[in-house]
Amino acid sequence: GAVVSQHPSRVICKSGTSVKIECRSLDFQATTMFWYRQFPKQSLMLMATSNEGSKATYEQGVEKDKFLINHASLTLSTLTVTSAHPEDSSFYICSAKGRGDEAFFGQGTRLTVV
Amino acid sequence: AQSVAQPEDQVNVAEGNPLTVKCTYSVSGNPYLFWYVQYPNRGLQFLLKYITGDNLVKGSYGFEAEFNKSQTSFHLKKPSALVSDSALYFCAVRDKAAGNKLTFGGGTRVLVKP
Repeated sequence: GAVVSQHPSRVICKSGTSVKIECRSLDFQATTMFWYRQFPKQSLMLMATSNEGSKATYEQGVEKDKFLINHASLTLSTLTVTSAHPEDSSFYICSAKGRGDEAFFGQGTRLTVV
Repeated sequence: AQSVAQPEDQVNVAEGNPLTVKCTYSVSGNPYLFWYVQYPNRGLQFLLKYITGDNLVKGSYGFEAEFNKSQTSFHLKKPSALVSDSALYFCAVRDKAAGNKLTFGGGTRVLVKP
């Protein structure tokens, strides 16, 4: 199947700083990318959907000024957690969808804010 | 609105025995159904999908799932479970009429004992 690379896999940052997470589709063009958040022992919660070259669509309750999403090319989307706080600590997962029916997922990023 | 239910938080099975993970869904239109598996601190790996055609779908690692429209179910099955199948399994649905958004079930932890 197609490969989606997410980087970094783990990051620890200080409270108040910003963290950028990258999501790349390595062997296909991702017209749509999705960002999810997963709490321990829970399902994936969709945060936002981004289409290349346009603004991301955020789910209800997700602060777009705090979780900045950029989808500047067909192979790269970034999620920036701005002014991170301990409650932002979580597992963040991206997925990318091309022309086919299924979406492919990155390895996930474990964010810990101290 | 689309939704997915995985009624079992955890399924325990002995190695070599059949494994079933249950999933029911609700969509307004025709469903696209998916199963994913997640290992600790990793992203989701695609197992199989139902889009149209045969109700019995075969996927990766010996897994299969049966689409049952009357019962709105898409249960995941494997005839003979392996210890390495122990993981977290997610069922997901996409209603094409609702765009590309995937809705996930709560997940079912599978524990295969030797």
